[in-house]
Order: sequence, then C-alpha cells, then structure tokens
Amino acid sequence: LAKTTQPISMDSYEGQEVNITCSHNNIATNDYITWYQQFPSQGPRFIIQGYKTKVTNEVASLFIPADRKSSTLSLPRVSLSDTAVYYCLVGSYGQNFVFGPGTRLSVLP
Amino acid sequence: GAVVSQHPSRVICKSGTSVKIECRSLDFQATTMFWYRQFPKKSLMLMATSNEGSKATYEQGVEKDKFLINHASLTLSTLTVTSAHPEDSSFYICSASSGQAPRAGNTIYFGEGSWLTVV
Repeated sequence: LAKTTQPISMDSYEGQEVNITCSHNNIATNDYITWYQQFPSQGPRFIIQGYKTKVTNEVASLFIPADRKSSTLSLPRVSLSDTAVYYCLVGSYGQNFVFGPGTRLSVLP
Repeated sequence: GAVVSQHPSRVICKSGTSVKIECRSLDFQATTMFWYRQFPKKSLMLMATSNEGSKATYEQGVEKDKFLINHASLTLSTLTVTSAHPEDSSFYICSASSGQAPRAGNTIYFGEGSWLTVV
C-alpha cells in the first residue's frame, strides 16, 4: 500500500483558497487517490477521487501531476465550516485504506 | 450518493457485557466492509476486513475473540465487542466499498461512527 505524507496542520482565513499537498512516491499503477474530510465524532466524508490530471466537483479540485507521485487538494473560498481533518489516501480496488495522521485545517474568521 | 449507516451512534454498556454495532450499506451492495477504531484526536486504525460469507481478516494486534465480526449479507456487517472493558471505549467506524474494479477505483464510503463507552 502506498504511504502518503501530508502536512500535519494548516491555518487559513475565511474566503481564501486552500491547497493541501500529499506525497505518495510509491504509488502503484492501479492506485487511485482519494481525499476525505472528517469532523470530530463523525466518520470520514468522501470529497474527491482521481487517477491523473485534474478532477473537479462541486466542493473541490484535485490536481495530479503526470508522475502521480503527489496530489493537491484545492478548496476554493473556505469557510469556518471547512475546519476539519483532511486525509489523502491511495489504493486500488479491493484494498483497504491505511490512514495517516491527516492534515488538520483550521479556518479562522 | 452511496450511504453507509451505523447503529447505534452512541452506546454505554457495563464492563463485562457485550455490545453489537451494525453497519449497513443503504443503496449498494458491499462485498467488503472495513472496521476502524479511532481514539480522540488520532487517526483511524484498521481493525479488520469483513468479507461477505467468509471469515473476517484481522489486523495484527486485534483480538479476534474480543471483536467478533459477522458479514452475513451484502448490505450488513456487525461488530460485537465481547466482555467489554473500559479500555475498549472508543469511536468505531465502518466503511464499505461501492467500487467496480478496476476503472472506478476504490471509492469507499464511511459510516457515521459509533461511540462506545464501557463503564
């Protein structure tokens, strides 16, 4: 299973764009990159998933360079309610996810 | 979208008793479900992988006789904490995969989590 590395914590202000980068140097050919958001006392919530290039949905964008050794989750115009822990996970079909410590994002007013 | 539901969300039990937590995939069939444990301000730790119709695979250090997992159908997996002790108090989370190999990747959806307090 590919190991991921992300910043432990980040601070931002309301209205700013937040970019969280994740390194996954030993990603395998069949692996996808998935990001989750977790609030206290809740299960992780799926944000976005991608394999290569760029993926965008209604809440975020995911940028994946050609070598796929890293990925960047982009949250546009964050609000206080985006304060949470964000997990970058890498895996393929049938595999479980091994969680790292994630990135604790604090959005300040 | 896909939804995974856990029940109960909170449970308090007496030391020495057993408690069961259910995990259901509401709008998809999940051949594989996963059970995690999470301590406050810590990351999720995988406990076991639950496959429908077969025995669960436990992670190293997880007592299979204490944490009984049953995956009797494609939409239901249960975790039973037997002879619970205060140190078993934790947040338990299940997840299930709705992915279709290989193109769709491995989209896993998580339940809301269940707080267990053993007194």
